[in-house]
Amino acid sequence: GIQVEQSPPDLILQEGANSTLRCNFSDSVNNLQWFHQNPWGQLINLFYIPSGTKQNGRLSATTVATERYSLLYISSSQTTDSGVYFCAVGGGADGLTFGKGTHLIIQP
Amino acid sequence: GAVVSQHPSWVICKSGTSVKIECRSLDFQATTMFWYRQFPKQSLMLMATSNEGSKATYEQGVEKDKFLINHASLTLSTLTVTSAHPEDSSFYICSARRDSVVAQHFGDGTRLSIL
Repeated sequence: GIQVEQSPPDLILQEGANSTLRCNFSDSVNNLQWFHQNPWGQLINLFYIPSGTKQNGRLSATTVATERYSLLYISSSQTTDSGVYFCAVGGGADGLTFGKGTHLIIQP
Repeated sequence: GAVVSQHPSWVICKSGTSVKIECRSLDFQATTMFWYRQFPKQSLMLMATSNEGSKATYEQGVEKDKFLINHASLTLSTLTVTSAHPEDSSFYICSARRDSVVAQHFGDGTRLSIL
């Protein structure tokens, strides 16, 4: 099956800092989604981005499908950005394969 | 936006009990729903694909007789954990996909604790 690798596994930053999270995947995909899992376990859908670039406020994402990677950018971090960020990929109609996540801690 | 409701949020029960979890798409029809499981400090793993009106497709290593899935309507899928044991304790989360749309929308999950 498809492999998904996320880096870094852990990231500790001061409030106000910028960060880049990376997701590499081993095969072509029709679905790539970025999620933020909050401390209560809820998966917040950040982006559906199988290719191209999108922005939503302080967050943006870019997927280069031909090179099989995606990047999630967080600017001007806030403590509420803390949590686990997951990248998940799939073939379209299939279930998603999740990476192991990046555990982000934003310190005040 | 697309809303998926999952119920209950928390379940604590004794070993040997069967537990049913519901997943509903509130504002769209979902021919396909998915069930995932997440153990503490781990990632989410796909358990099964639930198809309206047909049998579910289970991932390798997931016991279909242990985890019964029913998708009787276009807005409701249920997962029943039969004769649950402590090792079934986990976070179960469902997702649904609008027909002709690829992106999946997730419920808030169910935390299952078997004593």
